[in-house]
This record gives sequence, C-alpha cells and structure tokens, in this order.
Amino acid sequence: DAGITQSPRYKITETGRQVTLMCHQTWSHSYMFWYRQDLGHGLRLIYYSAAADITDKGEVPDGYVVSRSKTENFPLTLESATRSQTSVYFCASRGLSGELFFGEGSRLTVL
Amino acid sequence: GESVGLHLPTLSVQEGDNSIINCAYSNSASDYFIWYKQESGKGPQFIIDIRSNMDKRQGQRVTVLLNKTVKHLSLQIAATQPGDSAVYFCAVLGGYNKLIFGAGTRLAVHP
Repeated sequence: DAGITQSPRYKITETGRQVTLMCHQTWSHSYMFWYRQDLGHGLRLIYYSAAADITDKGEVPDGYVVSRSKTENFPLTLESATRSQTSVYFCASRGLSGELFFGEGSRLTVL
Repeated sequence: GESVGLHLPTLSVQEGDNSIINCAYSNSASDYFIWYKQESGKGPQFIIDIRSNMDKRQGQRVTVLLNKTVKHLSLQIAATQPGDSAVYFCAVLGGYNKLIFGAGTRLAVHP
C-alpha cells in the first residue's frame, strides 16, 4: 500500500543499546523528517533529509544518527540509548505543496 | 528563534457546537500554514492548509482563518462531533523549509 510506514511500532530497550527505527515511504518524496513527541514539548525535529545522501540536523539531533542511501528509506539510529530518549518518534515525508505526511509513530521505551 | 504558540491547551465543547482553536506565530515572513489533527496513538493527520496570500480557506466542516496583521491563525470546526476529539496542531513553514509545530490543543467533545 502507498504511504509512509514505520517499524517497529513499539520497542523496549535498555540504556546503552543501539536502536534503529525504520521509515519507508512509497511516494518518492524528496524531503523526509524525523520528529520526537513528548508531553509538554510537542513535535520537535531531530533530523531531516532533502534527498538521498543529504541530511541535516534539526532542533534536537544529539544522540541520533540518520542515513538516506535510498529516497524511500530514512532510518533513525540511537547509537547508545538513554532514558531521556524514551519518546514517540514520527517519521514524515513532504508533499508537493509543503504539507507533511506522518507515519503512525514508533513508541520507544529506554529502561 | 521562530515560535508557534496556542492560546489554550484544552478546549471542551458540546456535540453540535462550533469549535475554534487558535494559534499565534512569530515570523511575519511565514507564508504557509497547516492544521493537523492527532488522535490517540496515531500520527498527525493533515486537515487543511492556507498560504499567506489568502485570509480564509474552507474545507469540509473546517475553516482556517489567517490574520497576518496580528500573526494569528485559527481553525473553526462546524457542528463538532465526537470523532473530532483529538489534539490539534498548527504548523508554520519556517526557515530551511522546515515546519514548526505548536504545542497542540486538546479538543474534548461532550455529548
């Protein structure tokens, strides 16, 4: 089905472990984004990508790494997870008018 | 830096009444604005957008009003239904083509 999908939807991990959240879109949108959503902070931009092999930091990039080897995929990696990274993570791609289309989210708990 | 704020964190309305959710932004150069709806456990969903060359745009049961003079955006929902219960975010296109989101307003619809 067309759209934007995230996996896993739920993940529990331990402090210090590496975690990768996957994001896949079928529209061939150039721009893709990763946000985290926390109570009291709304949606905060972690990283974004303008095209394959082009990525840039957002508002809260520390502790995260991204890559974009293919237009349709934009994985987000937590190299050494910390409790403060417990959050809901949303991937999005940008349509032609500028609107963002979001995935269903990945809920990450770091113990 | 650029910011987007919402006037009320929670709005309670009776089923059938009209709802108005407000949003203020800081950058007078902003030219694209979007309203999103987020239901519990789901990603934000695009509702309606408006560009700065307009002051009003209507969709199905929703109207967005833009007042550039006071940098204010509002979302009006006509005949509010229980299915409208959600958190509503305004978003403003900021620098580097990134959307900046407000903190969100929770709309609670009572029978």
